[in-house]
Amino acid sequence: NAGVTQTPKFQVLKTGQSMTLQCAQDMNHNSMYWYRQDPGMGLRLIYYSASEGTTDKGEVPNGYNVSRLNKREFSLRLESAAPSQTSVYFCASPKWGTSGEGTYNEQFFGPGTRLTVL
Amino acid sequence: KQEVTQIPAALSVPEGENLVLNCSFTDSAIYNLQWFRQDPGKGLTSLLLIQSSQREQTSGRLNASLDKSSGRSTLYIAASQPGDSATYLCAVLYSGGGADGLTFGKGTHLIIQP
Repeated sequence: NAGVTQTPKFQVLKTGQSMTLQCAQDMNHNSMYWYRQDPGMGLRLIYYSASEGTTDKGEVPNGYNVSRLNKREFSLRLESAAPSQTSVYFCASPKWGTSGEGTYNEQFFGPGTRLTVL
Repeated sequence: KQEVTQIPAALSVPEGENLVLNCSFTDSAIYNLQWFRQDPGKGLTSLLLIQSSQREQTSGRLNASLDKSSGRSTLYIAASQPGDSATYLCAVLYSGGGADGLTFGKGTHLIIQP
């Protein structure tokens, strides 16, 4: 199993250009998430999808759109890129489960996409 | 709003030492706390997950504890090795409603000197 895969690994855009970041998971999980990681800010949630056909905003959704294409794929689109969107983007897919200790959510991350907007 | 703080921000120790990384969070309404390792330019690797009713989890030389009432977790690394050099991230999943994602600390950058 590949787990969570992301494409591309690196991308350089000019201000105003658009692009789509792709994410796929082969773990048969219902949920998928997009985070961004910035120096000094940690990782922050952009959008998430609790199940196929549903999406919701996270902490920093402005400037982004998402599509949950099917259970495996969750894409993140920048319609008009800005330098403030220079970041490392991570896709994650959590496993929701229950044990004798209660409900848990263990998240598995992709390798990331390093995006620079000039 | 849930906030997660990690102390120290950076740590450099000689090989072989035992060390403790600290994480604190402001709201005890959590499903679980997860410790990750991140190597430079790489993604996040899950190390340990502690559910809200658990006190600790162990994996090899790693031991993570959770004290939900005080909002604290520690990651103990025994007999540190140069290969342990990485950034360690602590994250909690809030169970009190709202956006369904992890809240991360900013990490502890760890260097193990050979």
